Amino acid sequence: AQSVTQLDSHVSVSEGTPVLLRCNYSSSYSPSLFWYVQHPNKGLQLLLKYTSAATLVKGINGFEAEFKKSETSFHLTKPSAHMSDAAEYFCVVSHSYGGSQGNLIFGKGTKLSVKP
Amino acid sequence: DSGVTQTPKHLITATGQRVTLRCSPRSGDLSVYWYQQSLDQGLQFLIQYYNGEERAKGNILERFSAQQFPDLHSELNLSSLELGDSALYFCASSVASRNTEAFFGQGTRLTVV
Repeated sequence: AQSVTQLDSHVSVSEGTPVLLRCNYSSSYSPSLFWYVQHPNKGLQLLLKYTSAATLVKGINGFEAEFKKSETSFHLTKPSAHMSDAAEYFCVVSHSYGGSQGNLIFGKGTKLSVKP
Repeated sequence: DSGVTQTPKHLITATGQRVTLRCSPRSGDLSVYWYQQSLDQGLQFLIQYYNGEERAKGNILERFSAQQFPDLHSELNLSSLELGDSALYFCASSVASRNTEAFFGQGTRLTVV
């Protein structure tokens, strides 16, 4: 069965310092993986996606993620945080069948705070 | 702008009432998802449709129902509303029913008083 674990519920960084949001997944086959961002009272926006092409995926707003099959990880990084990056981030795995969670399995989210 | 349109943006209604939330998917997308997001429960999957047919069902209450119409728009009906139904309701759409990203609307904020 597919599952997603976001290892930190809250991450706090200073503006200009690197961001690392951690995500581990469980999948019985090669998955499709995504990161979404949600600003307060807004919809979820797709940041980036991995679909078995390059293992290092570049997304919007300077974010990138690296797919590591041996570690079953898909961590999200950014070299330098901006105040506007403060939001909640969701790691998502997509699989082939429906069920009680649908085909998109969401992690519980990581709230990123950015200090001036 | 994701291309997914949800109406209304805000809805305030009384307990016991019935409301309908509407979603227009992105052009070309065949799959529609509904999610409920609240502070205590987080993001909860409700139901997914693909080309008019129910594809997956989550923690959707019996008081709630949904459908996807031939023009691919979808409606989520919530009846006998309770205070605990107050939440953000999101619709998302995708081109396929699996192994693909979904694009989310801005949500409908439902407040039950």
